[in-house]
Amino acid sequence: GENVEQHPSTLSVQEGDSAVIKCTYSDSASNYFPWYKQELGKGPQLIIDIRSNVGEKKDQRIAVTLNKTAKHFSLHITETQPEDSAVYFCAASNMDDKIIFGKGTRLHILP
Amino acid sequence: NAGVTQTPKFRILKIGQSMTLQCTQDMNHNYMYWYRQDPGMGLKLIYYSVGAGITDKGEVPNGYNVSRSTTEDFPLRLELAAPSQTSVYFCASSYGSPGNQPQHFGDGTRLSIL
Repeated sequence: GENVEQHPSTLSVQEGDSAVIKCTYSDSASNYFPWYKQELGKGPQLIIDIRSNVGEKKDQRIAVTLNKTAKHFSLHITETQPEDSAVYFCAASNMDDKIIFGKGTRLHILP
Repeated sequence: NAGVTQTPKFRILKIGQSMTLQCTQDMNHNYMYWYRQDPGMGLKLIYYSVGAGITDKGEVPNGYNVSRSTTEDFPLRLELAAPSQTSVYFCASSYGSPGNQPQHFGDGTRLSIL
């Protein structure tokens, strides 16, 4: 079945610097890749998603890139701010039309 | 617009007790899901529903039951609580199938089994 690997598990960056979180997937039929942000005590919230017919998508300081050949996709956050501190999850669809989540990345923004 | 609402937020159970975790959504979504989240393990799908009257097992269904009598509500039942069920439980919903539509999550129920 589909396997989604997410790295790193923890990431600390200086405020104002960029953060990159990477995910790989195994199912070549995957065509939908959402990213969720989970703040402390809250449920995950969608921040950006990308479909397989697009290589890159941007929304202000957040961007996602997709390399279907290599089966990996990445989340890029530029000009990081304290409110970016959270746990981030990548996910990928599988051939059964389900979503498989990565194990999460805890992002710390250092002052 | 409340979105997905879960109750209770916290609960402590003794081994062998039963309880129902409540979930309701006001977005008229057909698809609803229950996940559990354990530290460092991401989200695991317990059960899901594609519409009222239809439920199906996810990745980790053992020890749980669900029902979907209305579009809005999707309760999760634990019949004989076990320590391995200590976790944070999230309910979610989506307009379309999870393979191509984002899911909307509630804020979770933190459950401890002692």
